[in-house]
Amino acid sequence: KAGVTQTPRYLIKTRGQQVTLSCSPISGHRSVSWYQQTPGQGLQFLFEYFSETQRNKGNFPGRFSGRQFSNSRSEMNVSTLELGDSALYLCASSLRRGSEQYFGPGTRLTVT
Amino acid sequence: QQQVKQSPQSLIVQKGGISIINCAYENTAFDYFPWYQQFPGKGPALLIAIRPDVSEKKEGRFTISFNKSAKQFSLHIMDSQPGDSATYFCAARNFGNEKLTFGTGTRLTIIP
Repeated sequence: KAGVTQTPRYLIKTRGQQVTLSCSPISGHRSVSWYQQTPGQGLQFLFEYFSETQRNKGNFPGRFSGRQFSNSRSEMNVSTLELGDSALYLCASSLRRGSEQYFGPGTRLTVT
Repeated sequence: QQQVKQSPQSLIVQKGGISIINCAYENTAFDYFPWYQQFPGKGPALLIAIRPDVSEKKEGRFTISFNKSAKQFSLHIMDSQPGDSATYFCAARNFGNEKLTFGTGTRLTIIP
């Protein structure tokens, strides 16, 4: 069974632009969560989607948003990019809420 | 507020030795404690996880020890191999909540 896939793998954007990242969960998995990983802050929870509804949100500004589609695929969007948004953005999927979470390889976003 | 404290920050172990990484948590509502392994350029991979109704769980060379009263849990890697060299993260999660709260990570190096 294929793992969690994320596209694109690498992205370079300019401050002020916006970006959309995509995540395809493991087949059959219905819950998708997003995390930001930076050297300074470590792994931080962004939000979680289940059945196309945001179920939980981390402590990030409103510039960070996401959505989930009926096939469980998810996207996250960051508007008005700042230099501090440079990070590895990770998507994790689970079969159902409360089960094991499996991470994708991440999207490396660099904001210049 | 850092809710999961992980130590040590880095660890060097000789091949064949035992690697031990410790985590402590504050939130008594946590009821699921996974460990993840991350190689450079990759997403975190689920290694092993435990729930607080058991004190120990073993999978191959990896063992989690859990002390509910002390609010501590640890990862033991037996017969450590150079291929185990990676960054290890402990995490914790509330029941009914997909959000994982991560420790700060331990960079493990296994030397010949």
